[in-house]
Amino acid sequence: DQQVKQNSPSLSVQEGRISILNCDYTNSMFDYFLWYKKYPAEGPTFLISISSIKDKNEDGRFTVFLNKSAKHLSLHIVPSQPGDSAVYFCAAHRETSGSRLTFGEGTQLTVNP
Amino acid sequence: KAGVTQTPRYLIKTRGQQVTLSCSPISGHRSVSWYQQTPGQGLQFLFEYFSETQRNKGNFPGRFSGRQFSNSRSEMNVSTLELGDSALYLCASSRTGGGSYNSPLHFGNGTRLTVT
Repeated sequence: DQQVKQNSPSLSVQEGRISILNCDYTNSMFDYFLWYKKYPAEGPTFLISISSIKDKNEDGRFTVFLNKSAKHLSLHIVPSQPGDSAVYFCAAHRETSGSRLTFGEGTQLTVNP
Repeated sequence: KAGVTQTPRYLIKTRGQQVTLSCSPISGHRSVSWYQQTPGQGLQFLFEYFSETQRNKGNFPGRFSGRQFSNSRSEMNVSTLELGDSALYLCASSRTGGGSYNSPLHFGNGTRLTVT
């Protein structure tokens, strides 16, 4: 049962434009949603998160939007930079589950100069 | 502040053998969790240890086990290796455990296990 899904395995955008990465989930019991970024040969790095009681969280160039009724969240990167090229993982968390995160399959973002 | 350290970086083992992976968390972090990453599968939760006790367990067979020491360092063991165990194994630590913004997981660079 894939509770968190990222339906786009890859995304390519031009430098300076907006990147939008999408994620869908099925379990309405999740309390937090997080985005991690992963470069090759490195572990994932925490990027930004949002509580299930919010609909938007912003941190610099990164904004995460949550639509609870649609069970959908998205990560916006504006403006996109070549250094943003990485695999982005969406993850969901329940406060009662310790450090157990449920991850999506990842989206490879490529930002072209 | 040193990050999460995993050893070894690469391992090649034969079917039927067993393997032990090691993880040193960030200083002060008491929670250590393990994840398996395979192509197209994202990251799958294996288990979490907090103060030397297993606190959560994912849906993996009993061949996968772990432990945590008093200094919070953790080891993961896989017995009777199968070809399907080939994966990147990631260790993550956090202060109190939990994936929320105030105690996010910090991942190591992983151990790449290949089973032949």
